[in-house]
Amino acid sequence: DGGITQSPKYLFRKEGQNVTLSCEQNLNHDAMYWYRQDPGQGLRLIYYSQIVNDFQKGDIAEGYSVSREKKESFPLTVTSAQKNPTAFYLCASSTRSFSGANVLTFGAGSRLTVL
Amino acid sequence: AQRVTQPEKLLSVFKGAPVELKCNYSYSGSPELFWYVQYSRQRLQLLLRHISRESIKGFTADLNKGETSFHLKKPFAQEEDSAMYYCALSGVGETSGSRLTFGEGTQLTVNP
Repeated sequence: DGGITQSPKYLFRKEGQNVTLSCEQNLNHDAMYWYRQDPGQGLRLIYYSQIVNDFQKGDIAEGYSVSREKKESFPLTVTSAQKNPTAFYLCASSTRSFSGANVLTFGAGSRLTVL
Repeated sequence: AQRVTQPEKLLSVFKGAPVELKCNYSYSGSPELFWYVQYSRQRLQLLLRHISRESIKGFTADLNKGETSFHLKKPFAQEEDSAMYYCALSGVGETSGSRLTFGEGTQLTVNP
């Protein structure tokens, strides 16, 4: 069953703690993305990666970090520096494009709540 | 900079009525536009893209470069169309990759 798997589905964190959200894909996609979804604000891009060992900041990267050591995996760390981390996080992937956008395949999401 | 605006957060229509979800964009180059949909308890997924010029589930969307709009339309709404709809934009020719900018989303409710 091909697709994107995000874990955990729900996560609770105390203030001051870092937390890592997992994203794995078996679609053989080169590009992977992390979005944050907040009510009334749509999806905002945190980080994206076009290829292994390379990634770029999106529009709201502050307080987040990522790594791309394997093609299949793109974990997101929400650090204690993120001022408002409670949100729904979506991971996506696509084939790589040099001339425009390809269709994104999304995971089911991870809901992070900071207590 | 690229920006997508969906002016209606909530839209409610009755079954069988026409529906139009508005999307306006700002982009200095030639854009690619998309509509993504998220049904209750399902993943966000592509509904349609302007370059395909398809009708999906009865929905169509025409890119109007003069008005910088990409409104989503359906002549007769069905209850199963109730969902959150996102308009998204990507610039064509971006070497930085296929990053999409999403609008704020419109929650469509089709009442029986």
